Amino acid sequence: ELKVEQNPLFLSMQEGKNYTIYCNYSTTSDRLYWYRQDPGKSLESLFVLLSNGAVKQEGRLMASLDTKARLSTLHITAAVHDLSATYFCAVGDEAGGSEKLVFGKGMKLTVNP
Amino acid sequence: DTEVTQTPKHLVMGMTNKKSLKCEQHMGHRAMYWYKQKAKKPPELMFVYSYEKLSINESVPSRFSPECPNSSLLNLHLHALQPEDSALYLCASSRLTGHYGYTFGSGTRLTVV
Repeated sequence: ELKVEQNPLFLSMQEGKNYTIYCNYSTTSDRLYWYRQDPGKSLESLFVLLSNGAVKQEGRLMASLDTKARLSTLHITAAVHDLSATYFCAVGDEAGGSEKLVFGKGMKLTVNP
Repeated sequence: DTEVTQTPKHLVMGMTNKKSLKCEQHMGHRAMYWYKQKAKKPPELMFVYSYEKLSINESVPSRFSPECPNSSLLNLHLHALQPEDSALYLCASSRLTGHYGYTFGSGTRLTVV
């Protein structure tokens, strides 16, 4: 059974600081997704990582994937208050001819002025 | 059209009621999904439809009954729900080949009283 673990689960940081969050998963997969969720809202897709060594950047966020280590990182550069949200990583798991997403528990990020 | 549309956005129902949640997409995606998300938890997969056929049922109680009448529509019929079924219900869709991620709808906030 595929398990996805995120670390840390809670993060409070100051504006302007940098930080890296981690997503580990337990079985082979080359599909890794990062989502953002604001309170009471749906999931917003941030990154789709589909191969080993994939690196994608959008604004102050950069995501990478190491399929051999079964690890993805999400790096935050010069955090701003608007980044406060819950961030989920999810791994694609093939089952019964279909793919399903298995989510980590999510990381609640609070960026303080 | 790059959206997944869910209706209604909010629903309050009694335990003896029958109601339906609706999901629609016009992106030509041939996989559609229902996820359930409880407060402060990650989304959990309920059902997957591939080419309008049910391909994954994650042991969901029979009081939840999915239906995929065509490639653009996905319904979730609700009957005799319990208060613990109150949650955010998310619909998503994706391509089945050349996979580029999932598009989530805005969700239906369900309250069972």
